[in-house]
Amino acid sequence: RKEVEQDPGPFNVPEGATVAFNCTYSNSASQSFFWYRQDCRKEPKLLMSVYSSGNEDGRFTAQLNRASQYISLLIRDSKLSDSATYLCVVNRGDGGSQGNLIFGKGTKLSVKP
Amino acid sequence: EAGVTQFPSHSVIEKGQTVTLRCDPISGHDNLYWYRRVMGKEIKFLLHFVKESKQDESGMPNNRFLAERTGGTYSTLKVQPAELEDSGVYFCASSLRRSSYNEQFFGPGTRLTVL
Repeated sequence: RKEVEQDPGPFNVPEGATVAFNCTYSNSASQSFFWYRQDCRKEPKLLMSVYSSGNEDGRFTAQLNRASQYISLLIRDSKLSDSATYLCVVNRGDGGSQGNLIFGKGTKLSVKP
Repeated sequence: EAGVTQFPSHSVIEKGQTVTLRCDPISGHDNLYWYRRVMGKEIKFLLHFVKESKQDESGMPNNRFLAERTGGTYSTLKVQPAELEDSGVYFCASSLRRSSYNEQFFGPGTRLTVL
């Protein structure tokens, strides 16, 4: 079983649509959770951290369910510039390995005019 | 403020040769990480430095890989001898603190091709 699992997509949506990505993780010791965005042939960039209470940043909302080991990202009013691969990322969580990030393979989003 | 920089951006070598990748973290960031993405796979952790010390090297694939961070500034990752399966994109990242929610800033990566 992969440590972080995501639907690879692609998700093809029209501008203005709402799209949701889901992710599950297997390591119950993980303590921190993130969504990164990666454009084609570029480096990953942090989109948002995900907290237990859920958090929102403009059009983006992230949710975390520790009991189910499930993370979600909701994008409202999609823009063309949202087209990218979205990476679900968790930390390994044990002791000195907090900085050791575990990546999912990513979900590709394509927003069309 | 300059971001994380990596050199070279691309490297094409033959099997059996040696390659050294360099990473310059953001100034003042004590934490430096190496990751690798092999084609078709997810990005995987290789190791983590805190200043010049290796905090976690659990992701290093084998003893053909040697990472150093002398003086706690830039880091090098040497592959010797390179094998075909070492091809991929090698990312370096740095962070200011080691706490679990501390953002890691990634460099643009070095694309390594072993022929």
